[in-house]
Amino acid sequence: LAKITQPISMDSYEGQEVNITCSHNNIATNDYITWYQQFPSQGPRFIIQGYKTKVTNEVASLFIPADRKSSTLSLPRVSLSDTAVYYCLVGGGYNTDKLIFGTGTRLQVFP
Amino acid sequence: NAGVTQTPKFQVLKTGQSMTLQCAQDMNHNSMYWYRQDPGMGLRLIYYSASEGTTDKGEVPNGYNVSRLNKREFSLRLESAAPSQTSVYFCASSLGGVGETQYFGPGTRLLVL
Repeated sequence: LAKITQPISMDSYEGQEVNITCSHNNIATNDYITWYQQFPSQGPRFIIQGYKTKVTNEVASLFIPADRKSSTLSLPRVSLSDTAVYYCLVGGGYNTDKLIFGTGTRLQVFP
Repeated sequence: NAGVTQTPKFQVLKTGQSMTLQCAQDMNHNSMYWYRQDPGMGLRLIYYSASEGTTDKGEVPNGYNVSRLNKREFSLRLESAAPSQTSVYFCASSLGGVGETQYFGPGTRLLVL
């Protein structure tokens, strides 16, 4: 099965912009890219989803290049409460065994 | 509106014992999922159900069975638990099919001795 890779960890300070990348070289034509946030002892929570180019909502932006082999989650002006693990999820095609979560990125935000 | 609920929250089993993890959602979603998350790891899909009476295997289905009892409920059964099944199990649901926004439950922590 294709592996979805992310940086293991990132550090930032409050107020900075954070960009977390996800590599998905074997993405299929009908796959979507979704990002989730997870706090300790909780289930993941949806952040943003996209298929190509750029998507923006009230909390984040998602950048997807034309070849779709990677994606970047951008969190503007992070706060301490953004300290969490961030996962990208690639899938949405017809094969459920291809619905794959990335390895996760632990973001630590310092004051 | 409780969202996705899971029972139990925590369970200890001995090797070879069986148990069923329960999941229910009150959002009138069509699709439901079962994942496992091992310490320090990402989530891996066990089974998926697009609608009542239908189920599909995910990445790691071996050792598990599922039942979509009705639109609200999706259960996961371990027939003969093994230590390798020690994990946190998350249930999720989505309005549409695979790839749509998923809403996760709080998880069930399972320890198999």
